Amino acid sequence: QQQVKQSPQSLIVQKGGISIINCAYENTAFDYFPWYQQFPGKGPALLIAIRPDVSEKKEGRFTISFNKSAKQFSLHIMDSQPGDSATYFCAASRYSGTYKYIFGTGTRLKVLA
Amino acid sequence: GAVVSQHPSWVICKSGTSVKIECRSLDFQATTMFWYRQFPKQSLMLMATSNEGSKATYEQGVEKDKFLINHASLTLSTLTVTSAHPEDSSFYICSAQEVAGARLDTQYFGPGTRLTVL
Repeated sequence: QQQVKQSPQSLIVQKGGISIINCAYENTAFDYFPWYQQFPGKGPALLIAIRPDVSEKKEGRFTISFNKSAKQFSLHIMDSQPGDSATYFCAASRYSGTYKYIFGTGTRLKVLA
Repeated sequence: GAVVSQHPSWVICKSGTSVKIECRSLDFQATTMFWYRQFPKQSLMLMATSNEGSKATYEQGVEKDKFLINHASLTLSTLTVTSAHPEDSSFYICSAQEVAGARLDTQYFGPGTRLTVL
């Protein structure tokens, strides 16, 4: 019940296209869902996050879509650029004295020039 | 804002020696810091959660006597890998959560430390 399933494992998109990464969770107690971007040899950087009280959140080219009933959320990268080529991790969390994250398995995105 | 640093960024040591990795929150105070381990092309595996002034909480399967964590202040946590062996070679990443306010739920990650044990 603590797992977060992420798909696809890898993704290749043409420049200017839309990249879509999906995550699913089981624990309905989760109430915070961040997405992180990681470049090789670097630490993850927060991209965007959402709480279950909204169905969508947009920041620049990045959008999270959240489906509470299906227990799924996804990251959409609009107008994908070669500089977006990185590994993306979704995570789920709930407050239990602190916000400990359960990470997805990651998606390696490659955007072709 | 919300910058986390780690030192060193990479370290090579001989088998049997101990290595200390520092994690600092540079522009905020962190009630909680987390230590993760990441193998190549894999996800982040939480090793332990540390709170300032108290003992760290280790995840199942993580040897607390091998991975010593000290959270001495609201801006510094250290991870010491004791008697390191080649299988401890990995990418170690820390993260920090702010003391209070609207971003209590957000973890800010450091740049990671690459440990190679020969």
